[in-house]
Amino acid sequence: QPALTQPASVSGSPGQSVTISCTGTNIDVGNFDLVSWYQHHPGKAPKLIVYEATKRPSGVSDRFSGSTSGSTASLTISGLQADDEAHYSCCSYAGITSPKWVFGGGTMLTVL
Amino acid sequence: QVQLVQSGAEVRRPGASVKVSCKASGYTFTSFYIHWVRQAPGQGLEWMGLVNPYDGVTTYAQSFQGRVTMTRDTSTNTVYMDLNRLTTEDTAAYYCARRGGEYSYAFDHWGQGALVTVSS
Repeated sequence: QPALTQPASVSGSPGQSVTISCTGTNIDVGNFDLVSWYQHHPGKAPKLIVYEATKRPSGVSDRFSGSTSGSTASLTISGLQADDEAHYSCCSYAGITSPKWVFGGGTMLTVL
Repeated sequence: QVQLVQSGAEVRRPGASVKVSCKASGYTFTSFYIHWVRQAPGQGLEWMGLVNPYDGVTTYAQSFQGRVTMTRDTSTNTVYMDLNRLTTEDTAAYYCARRGGEYSYAFDHWGQGALVTVSS
């Protein structure tokens, strides 16, 4: 069972916005602002799109934005495009006594 | 450019072991941690552990303790992940991923994945 809870799927039409939630606990998402999000197309390596909950790596479109509230992190994708159709996974640092990372189960985004 | 190139697909019998490699290039090998993450069919990503290429120090996820070994070879800029006592539940794509630098606790570059199939 994944440590972080994500919806299995979300969908939206081109141009719309969608938000994917990632719910953890007070030992991971709620304890550290160290949530990252990854876009994963089948057969390709995952791609970092958000780090430290709200920051975007250079080269990542500003249509991707992250936020947190308590133990829930969210990824919002605005102006949906066909190429956004992919799996999205959240990850949080969860190291209390030793280094540890936890992932969500992943969310499949379908662009209708 | 930064690249992590992994070894190819493997097929193993239950009870066997597998060793996956991850060759890094395009950056200073000893300056970034390498983590291993796997994804079983239809499942989410699962963190397995990390190795510090600078000194070889490792940290493993509790669920893999005693069964996984991560090592590095600084002469070839390669990291290895050895998983033993395989079961069919270990069938998955295994990824190496780089962490450190300006992206701190996130994984900014990933290998292409190595599919490991465990079947009798």
